[in-house]
Amino acid sequence: AQTVTQSQPEMSVQEAETVTLSCTYDTSESDYYLFWYKQPPSRQMILVIRQEAYKQQNATENRFSVNFQKAAKSFSLKISDSQLGDAAMYFCASPDTCLAGNTPLVFGKGTRLSVIA
Amino acid sequence: NAGVTQTPKFQVLKTGQSMTLQCAQDMNHNSMYWYRQDPGMGLRLIYYSASEGTTDKGEVPNGYNVSRLNKREFSLRLESAAPSQTSVYFCASSEVGGGNQPQHFGDGTRLSIL
Repeated sequence: AQTVTQSQPEMSVQEAETVTLSCTYDTSESDYYLFWYKQPPSRQMILVIRQEAYKQQNATENRFSVNFQKAAKSFSLKISDSQLGDAAMYFCASPDTCLAGNTPLVFGKGTRLSVIA
Repeated sequence: NAGVTQTPKFQVLKTGQSMTLQCAQDMNHNSMYWYRQDPGMGLRLIYYSASEGTTDKGEVPNGYNVSRLNKREFSLRLESAAPSQTSVYFCASSEVGGGNQPQHFGDGTRLSIL
């Protein structure tokens, strides 16, 4: 399987501050999407944001934005104005080009984000 | 919309027992997936079905079998459960495969093997 690396097992942020979660990947595809998922204590997997690799512009969804650097294969998630409800495990995902046929996603090991009131 | 529905939500088995985890989606998606989530390991792909009638192995297929019963349903079977299969199992679906579509997840099944 391809590798997705999240180098920060745990992060913390003060409420209303900004935090950046790191992710690197190694897909060999030239055209692909990248995803960030959030998993709160309820265990649900919730799509936060996705980035199209062929687009230069970084994706933004309200308080969530990405810093996508294609050459470096880096895809970090920035959360602005952090809220208590942002506390969760965050997973980065990219296509797994090692598998035959269609390419399912491969996930990083996750970053646990704590928000301090 | 129900989205992706997994049953059961919790299950305790004894070593050697068998069971089937059920998954159904109502979004008319073509591709479906089974993952396991272990502490510190993220989500690892067990099997996937790119379209009805096809299944393929993922990263950790040993000890599991799957059946794509129809377009809606994709089941995961443990023939002889082992303690190493204690995990949280997630089913997911996407409109098509290819890694270009977001996956929609069920709420997971917490499975304990004693």
